[in-house]
Amino acid sequence: GAGVSQSPSNKVTEKGKDVELRCDPISGHTALYWYRQRLGQGLEFLIYFQGNSAPDKSGLPSDRFSAERTGESVSTLTIQRTQQEDSAVYLCASSLAGGSVSYEQYFGPGTRLTVT
Amino acid sequence: GQNIDQPTEMTATEGAIVQINCTYQTSGFNGLFWYQQHAGEAPTFLSYNVLDGLEEKGRFSSFLSRSKGYSYLLLKELQMKDSASYLCAVPPSRDDKIIFGKGTRLHILP
Repeated sequence: GAGVSQSPSNKVTEKGKDVELRCDPISGHTALYWYRQRLGQGLEFLIYFQGNSAPDKSGLPSDRFSAERTGESVSTLTIQRTQQEDSAVYLCASSLAGGSVSYEQYFGPGTRLTVT
Repeated sequence: GQNIDQPTEMTATEGAIVQINCTYQTSGFNGLFWYQQHAGEAPTFLSYNVLDGLEEKGRFSSFLSRSKGYSYLLLKELQMKDSASYLCAVPPSRDDKIIFGKGTRLHILP
């Protein structure tokens, strides 16, 4: 079946513009995660959705960042007034949830954001 | 606080064995994941340990000691394609975000 998809794959934007990144999780996956990865660095947690609620927004770097999720499907990550420091790959992952164990995450290919 | 430690980089020779260690201090524990990430690609799942001991899956094995807050990933018969970053990750609970280590970049020499 289809994996996690993200769009756009690449985005170049001017400093100060707003951008919207999209994630389509695997059907039936109730948990959805956004991460940021700067070049050569580890994964930086941004936000986690369980269904369409976000129990943990602690990773959002500033109030310029926001995210929404519609039901248990598409999520969008919006960055307002982009800064050069926002340049990174933004990764989305989804997983099953529930039960007594944790489930592996399936990652999308990422969106490479470049702010000029 | 919550913390996961891994070596930043390791180098090994093709055909050899390498062990990548991970130590964790988290508020809870609901298993430990290992992911592989090739340069420019997304991470992919390798293993999940929730009980103590060694789990073998082909050339890759993963070990867990919950009392010591310690895990390792063992890669045997190394191949050039194993050059990648290896990420250790711990979910403190089943309903919580997963905490990732910074990853270990493994270089394989011919």
